[in-house]
Amino acid sequence: DAGVIQSPRHEVTEMGQEVTLRCKPISGHNSLFWYRQTMMRGLELLIYFNNNVPIDDSGMPEDRFSAKMPNASFSTLKIQPSEPRDSAVYFCASSQIQGRYTFGSGTRLTVV
Amino acid sequence: QKEVEQDPGPLSVPEGAIVSLNCTYSNSAFQYFMWYRQYSRKGPELLMYTYSSGNKEDGRFTAQVDKSSKYISLFIRDSQPSDSATYLCAIRAYSGGGADGLTFGKGTHLIIQP
Repeated sequence: DAGVIQSPRHEVTEMGQEVTLRCKPISGHNSLFWYRQTMMRGLELLIYFNNNVPIDDSGMPEDRFSAKMPNASFSTLKIQPSEPRDSAVYFCASSQIQGRYTFGSGTRLTVV
Repeated sequence: QKEVEQDPGPLSVPEGAIVSLNCTYSNSAFQYFMWYRQYSRKGPELLMYTYSSGNKEDGRFTAQVDKSSKYISLFIRDSQPSDSATYLCAIRAYSGGGADGLTFGKGTHLIIQP
């Protein structure tokens, strides 16, 4: 089992550019979560999906953020346009049993 | 008041000591309690999972929940340098259906000195 796979591991982009983060959940897990981690705010839930359907996106900070899950094996988180305050580590996690998450290694985003 | 409060540390103890990590929460609807461990530049990994008051033991780790006080603890016995990491508590309410997002504490940075 390769675990939850996120790409890219690191992303440096200029303010105003579009950023797309990718996630492949563990096969058979029916829930997928996107979190953002910063020193100031810790881990914040952005959005989650059950069976590919978005359930709660109330944590998405602004309309600049969007997420999709076109099938059970792939999800994207897009930021357009990006801003320096979006700099953070973005984690994807998947789960088959409530509360038992498996996290990916994260994408470290730096917007300059 | 934040939903979950956790002292960020750092907490530094000598190898072999007993470590106590704690969180408090404000919402009595929370019924499931977890501890995740996060090594530097890695994603969090599940360490302990419990849904009732009392103690749950797994090797050197013991999770303790006191719902009346809204207080959860993680104890590490015979601490090792490899235990050095950030420990995050996580909680959720019972939804009765599909998975819900967890609410995490900010994490306590633990350092075990050899």
